Amino acid sequence: QSVLTQPPSASGTPGQRVTISCSGSTSNIGSNTIKWYQHFPGTAPKLLIYSDDQRPSGVPDRFSGSKSGTSASLAISGLQSEDEADYYCEAWDDSLNGSVFGTGTKVTVL
Amino acid sequence: QLQLQESGSGLLRPSQTLSLTCAVSGGSINSGGYSWSWIRQPPGKGLEWIGYIYLSGTTYYSPSLKSRVTISVDKSKNQLFLRLGSVTAADTAYYYCARVNLQMGRSLDIWGQGTMVAVSS
Repeated sequence: QSVLTQPPSASGTPGQRVTISCSGSTSNIGSNTIKWYQHFPGTAPKLLIYSDDQRPSGVPDRFSGSKSGTSASLAISGLQSEDEADYYCEAWDDSLNGSVFGTGTKVTVL
Repeated sequence: QLQLQESGSGLLRPSQTLSLTCAVSGGSINSGGYSWSWIRQPPGKGLEWIGYIYLSGTTYYSPSLKSRVTISVDKSKNQLFLRLGSVTAADTAYYYCARVNLQMGRSLDIWGQGTMVAVSS
């Protein structure tokens, strides 16, 4: 059972903005940085955001991350059909002395 | 371009030991600024972190797997290893190795394609 909670699903039409939340606690999001990954089942997950709001080179600026207190968000603006995938947050947890992934959110483009 | 490729036992019986290898190519596993990790995804479920190994040999494991798991590295062969003992059906999953970028917030910046491991009697 993950300590980082995400909504199971999110959806939008092409061009819309979709936001995915990741809720944790003071031992993880509240004291460590958040990462976000995009995953198409059966393939290698891809890093989208690190250090709460930084994009690796090659990741479109349509993807943005933010954090406040013990919650974080990933926003996808200008939603495209190829954004239909599973998205996971991740953070180090000081209490567990290990990393944890969020429960995952499936994004559907309507 | 660094690439990771997992390989190992695809089908196991309960109580056996899972052994996986992650071959690193296009770069050195001994490069400073990085550590290495294993992650898994059971069918129909989310990603689960298994553990990290730093180049110093220091390891961190998921509390739920700590008693059964060992992650190691062979720098001379440029390979990362995962051993998980006393497997059960709950260990059936897609297993991924990944590079941990310590300068990018300890993010998993390069992943292998993954390998499926099934546990069945």
